[in-house]
Amino acid sequence: DTGVSQDPRHKITKRGQNVTFRCDPISEHNRLYWYRQTLGQGPEFLTYFQNEAQLEKSRLLSDRFSAERPKGSFSTLEIQRTEQGDSAMYLCASSFAMLTPNEQFFGPGTRLTVL
Amino acid sequence: KNEVEQSPQNLTAQEGEFITINCSYSVGISALHWLQQHPGGGIVSLFMLSSGKKKHGRLIATINIQEKHSSLHITASHPRDSAVYICAVRGYGGSNYKLTFGKGTLLTVNP
Repeated sequence: DTGVSQDPRHKITKRGQNVTFRCDPISEHNRLYWYRQTLGQGPEFLTYFQNEAQLEKSRLLSDRFSAERPKGSFSTLEIQRTEQGDSAMYLCASSFAMLTPNEQFFGPGTRLTVL
Repeated sequence: KNEVEQSPQNLTAQEGEFITINCSYSVGISALHWLQQHPGGGIVSLFMLSSGKKKHGRLIATINIQEKHSSLHITASHPRDSAVYICAVRGYGGSNYKLTFGKGTLLTVNP
């Protein structure tokens, strides 16, 4: 399968715990994006990488959130001291910067439930 | 910030009906996407367009840049078309990588 993959697909945790999600983009896609989608809403932009550089972070990304893409391939999104308001679907997408138009391809998402 | 509005929020149709979902946005864009999301979360890109009209099978997408409006049409709808359809827009220049999404339209097609 050459699509975007995310792991885990579902995560249930207790308030205050730390969680980490992983995204593997399509091979050779140098851009990677994280979005958050709450129930009944469209996705909202969280952050964006070009290669290993994190180029933009949304104000939605509080200090408890950190994202990395250490070798410019897979990315991780960590949430520390989870809160019930963090319950959402976390979506990852990737694209190839040199292609026009720069279409984003989405992964299946990680659904987080904070109890 | 671009405001993206979709209508209707919910749509129920009988199999075979012609479906139209609308999307309007407030600021000029470089491209507009129509996306499909099934229960379970995964998003599939249906169309990306910046002008005119595109057709793929029973799906047709149109955009009017002057009116800042796009429509997604489904002809001969089928229960497997049941999903959430999301409109997303891309800006210009330095922020043209970032998508701004509508809230989505939940389509249910009954047999």
